[in-house]
Amino acid sequence: AQSVTQLDSQVPVFEEAPVELRCNYSSSVSVYLFWYVQYPNQGLQLLLKYLSGSTLVKGINGFEAEFNKSQTSFHLRKPSVHISDTAEYFCAVSDRNAGNMLTFGGGTRLMVKP
Amino acid sequence: DAGVIQSPRHEVTEMGQEVTLRCKPISGHNSLFWYRQTMMRGLELLIYFNNNVPIDDSGMPEDRFSAKMPNASFSTLKIQPSEPRDSAVYFCASTPRGGTPDEQYFGPGTRLTVT
Repeated sequence: AQSVTQLDSQVPVFEEAPVELRCNYSSSVSVYLFWYVQYPNQGLQLLLKYLSGSTLVKGINGFEAEFNKSQTSFHLRKPSVHISDTAEYFCAVSDRNAGNMLTFGGGTRLMVKP
Repeated sequence: DAGVIQSPRHEVTEMGQEVTLRCKPISGHNSLFWYRQTMMRGLELLIYFNNNVPIDDSGMPEDRFSAKMPNASFSTLKIQPSEPRDSAVYFCASTPRGGTPDEQYFGPGTRLTVT
């Protein structure tokens, strides 16, 4: 079984500042890793994914994440945030051999202030 | 493509009543997932169908919850009887045949309030 821990439930940050949202996972098998974004009153949208290959993955809206196998982490970063980035962000993991089931972290609310 | 369609978008009901949430997956998708989102527990997978067959229902909280998928284009999640602690946003998601987890497309959700 897998689990995902998002260490920060809320992250306040000023506009144009850099941000990092932390994600750690535990799993006994090889995994795929994902970040989703949820804007108010909407469903989840895929932000980026790590399936294989380069450990640095780039997603939409200027976000990127780095897979660190030794630290079992997949932190999300953006060098300069905008007000429109205010949303809930979810890290998720999937067992490579267990179909398409996703296990989600508790979410991090990113609050960008002017 | 209309995306995953869920109805109703909002549901307010009284404790003890039966509630039925509906989901229409994207045409051609053969896997369907029901999730529940609450402040306390975050996003939890309730049940997962593949080719209309329930594969994993270990996340269904108790016997008051049931889910069906009578055909490839429709699924229901029923709560009977409903309780205030069932208040949450319920999401449906689908993936295409042979797809990978990143191809899980989410619907807009149904916000359920049980008073």
